[in-house]
Amino acid sequence: EPEVTQTPSHQVTQMGQEVILRCVPISNHLYFYWYRQILGQKVEFLVSFYNNEISEKSEIFDDQFSVERPDGSNFTLKIRSTKLEDSAMYFCASREQGLSDRNGYTFGSGTRLTVV
Amino acid sequence: GQNIDQPTEMTATEGAIVQINCTYQTSGFNGLFWYQQHAGEAPTFLSYNVLDGLEEKGRFSSFLSRSKGYSYLLLKELQMKDSASYLCAVRPSGFQKLVFGTGTRLLVSP
Repeated sequence: EPEVTQTPSHQVTQMGQEVILRCVPISNHLYFYWYRQILGQKVEFLVSFYNNEISEKSEIFDDQFSVERPDGSNFTLKIRSTKLEDSAMYFCASREQGLSDRNGYTFGSGTRLTVV
Repeated sequence: GQNIDQPTEMTATEGAIVQINCTYQTSGFNGLFWYQQHAGEAPTFLSYNVLDGLEEKGRFSSFLSRSKGYSYLLLKELQMKDSASYLCAVRPSGFQKLVFGTGTRLLVSP
C-alpha cells in the first residue's frame, strides 16, 4: 500500500535554531498538508499546498514557518527560529485530486520535534 | 468557526460493541472522516461519510446525519488491538483541510 514517508522520525533542536522536516507524499497525490499534534492535544492544521503554492494556512502558520516542494517528490516544512512551544509531532499528509474523498487523507508516521 | 465534540474516553470489553459519537458545527460541510490513532503513531483512515446513512467496512461502521450535525463510529467484535484514540474530522466546504476533534480514547479490556 502506498505510504507517505517522513524524515527524521525524531529531531531535537535548540531554541532559536532552524529545522527542516521532510516528507515524500504518495506519488499520484496532488494535495499536501502539514499538521501538528502537541502531546495530549488534538491534531491541528498548519498548511495545505496545491499546484506549487499554499492554498490555506492556519493562524499557527506564521512567518516562522515556510513550505517548499523543491523537486517532484519532496515536500518540506521549515521552522526558521524554533521556540519551546513548537515541540510537537508534525504530520505530513497527502490526498488524491478528484471529487471523492473516499480514500481519505493519508498521513505519514510523523516527526517528533523537541525544542530544548 | 468550527467545533467538533467527542467524548474524551470510553471503555469496553473484548468482543463487545462500542459506539463513539461525534457532533460538529462547521462553516459548511464537505465530508466527515474517522481516523484511528495509536499512541505515538500517525492517524490511520477508517471511514468517510458525505451523505446521510451508514457506511460499513468490516467490523467498523460509520453513520452520518447532516441535519443533526452528528456522526458515530461503531466498532463490533472488539479486540484488544482496537485500544486507541478515534478521531472525528470534518472537511468544511470551500476548504481543502480537515478539522479534527480532540479524539476519543478507547480502552478495550479482557
